[in-house]
Amino acid sequence: SYVLTQPPSVSVAPGRTATITCGGNNIGRKTVHWYQQKSGQAPVLVIYYDKDRPSGIPERFSGSNSGNTATLTISRVEAGDEADYYCQVWETIIDHVVFGGGTKLTVL
Amino acid sequence: QLQLQESGPGLVKPSETLSLTCTVSGVSISSSGYYWGWIRQPPGKGLEWIGAIYYSGSTYYNPSLKSRVTISADASKNQLSLKLSSVTAADTALYSCARLGDSSGYGYPYIDHWGQGTLVTVSS
Repeated sequence: SYVLTQPPSVSVAPGRTATITCGGNNIGRKTVHWYQQKSGQAPVLVIYYDKDRPSGIPERFSGSNSGNTATLTISRVEAGDEADYYCQVWETIIDHVVFGGGTKLTVL
Repeated sequence: QLQLQESGPGLVKPSETLSLTCTVSGVSISSSGYYWGWIRQPPGKGLEWIGAIYYSGSTYYNPSLKSRVTISADASKNQLSLKLSSVTAADTALYSCARLGDSSGYGYPYIDHWGQGTLVTVSS
C-alpha cells in the first residue's frame, strides 16, 4: 500500500514561513490534497490538486508537488495557524484514500 | 448548506459489530460525481480512511479493514451507514462521515465536507 511520510512536528515563529513536507514514492505523479485540523475540530481542506486553494483559504497557504515530495507552505504564519496538517492522495491502483501521518505545527 | 451528522452507539463490546449512520442534509447523496465516506481518528492519533461509496453505488475500502467493513447508502432517507465487524479496542476512535468531490474530474477526489464525528469506544 502507498505510504505518505510527514514530519511529526514543525515549529515556526510568527511572521515566518512554515514548510510541511509529505513524502511518497513518485508522489509528483499523484495529486495531493492538504487538510488543517485545529484542536477539537473537524479537518478543513486548505489545498487541493497540489496547489489550488478553496474559497476562504488565505493566499498565505500554498502547495507544490514534485519528485518524491509534496510541500505545504504557510507564509507569514499566525498564531491561528497552529494545528495538525495532513496530506492525502487517492491511490489509483486499488482506489482508496491514503493519509499522511500528520504534522503538528507549533507557532512559537 | 451541506451538513453531515453521525449517530450510533457510543459503546460497543469487543467482537461485536459497530453500526453508525450518517444523515446528510442540504444535498442528495445521489448527486452525480460525489463519494460519501467514513474516516476515523483514534484519540490523539492521525486520520485513517475506512471507505466510501460512490453516487453510483460502487464501494471502495481501506485494504486493511476491507474484510470487516460494509458501507451502504439509503437514498430515500439520504443516509450513509457503516458496519465494522469483530471490533477490538484498537477500533476505539472518533468516526466521521464525509463527502468527497472531484471538481476537475481528474479522478483524484478530496474531502470537501466533514461531519463533526462520533466517538465510539470498544470495551466490555
